[in-house]
Amino acid sequence: NAGVTQTPKFRILKIGQSMTLQCTQDMNHNYMYWYRQDPGMGLKLIYYSVGAGITDKGEVPNGYNVSRSTTEDFPLRLELAAPSQTSVYFCASSYVSGTQYFGPGTRLTVL
Amino acid sequence: TQLLEQSPQFLSIQEGENLTVYCNSSSVFSSLQWYRQEPGEGPVLLVTVVTGGEVKKLKRLTFQFGDARKDSSLHITAAQPGDTGLYLCAGPNTGNQFYFGTGTSLTVIP
Repeated sequence: NAGVTQTPKFRILKIGQSMTLQCTQDMNHNYMYWYRQDPGMGLKLIYYSVGAGITDKGEVPNGYNVSRSTTEDFPLRLELAAPSQTSVYFCASSYVSGTQYFGPGTRLTVL
Repeated sequence: TQLLEQSPQFLSIQEGENLTVYCNSSSVFSSLQWYRQEPGEGPVLLVTVVTGGEVKKLKRLTFQFGDARKDSSLHITAAQPGDTGLYLCAGPNTGNQFYFGTGTSLTVIP
């Protein structure tokens, strides 16, 4: 079991560029989440999904989009990168609203 | 607006000392979770408390959920360098979202 995997680990973007952060889980969890963590801070929920084909906004969704075509994958899309999106991004999954299992994170810098 | 406030924000102590970290809210939560996050990694769940007044022990770590289910504390006895990390509390809202606290960064000096 790999758990939750995220790619890439690091990325530098220029302002206005786009990218997709990949997240895959092999635990057959129906719930998946995307968080961002700014330096020295807790995590803020960007988007979440309770199952394939269902997504909903979290606390800070602006500037991001998600899709959930399969149980395993939950990619996060940044369309027009801005410096305010410099952060560490974590994907997590869980059964219903139970223990969340986190990936190792993607460190994104927007210059 | 931060739903879950943690204190202190930073804590640096000597090995062998005791410490307590607090997680407070003005909202009632059905449960609260505590996570530990090490540098460069994602958070890992330590415990979930679900009943007001509940106390759970995990080796040298003691977790308490407030009677009114608005606050929680984490007490570490005889801290060790391996306890170093960011401690986060988290609680579910009425939907399927989780709110995370602001975090307490703990450093245990050998």
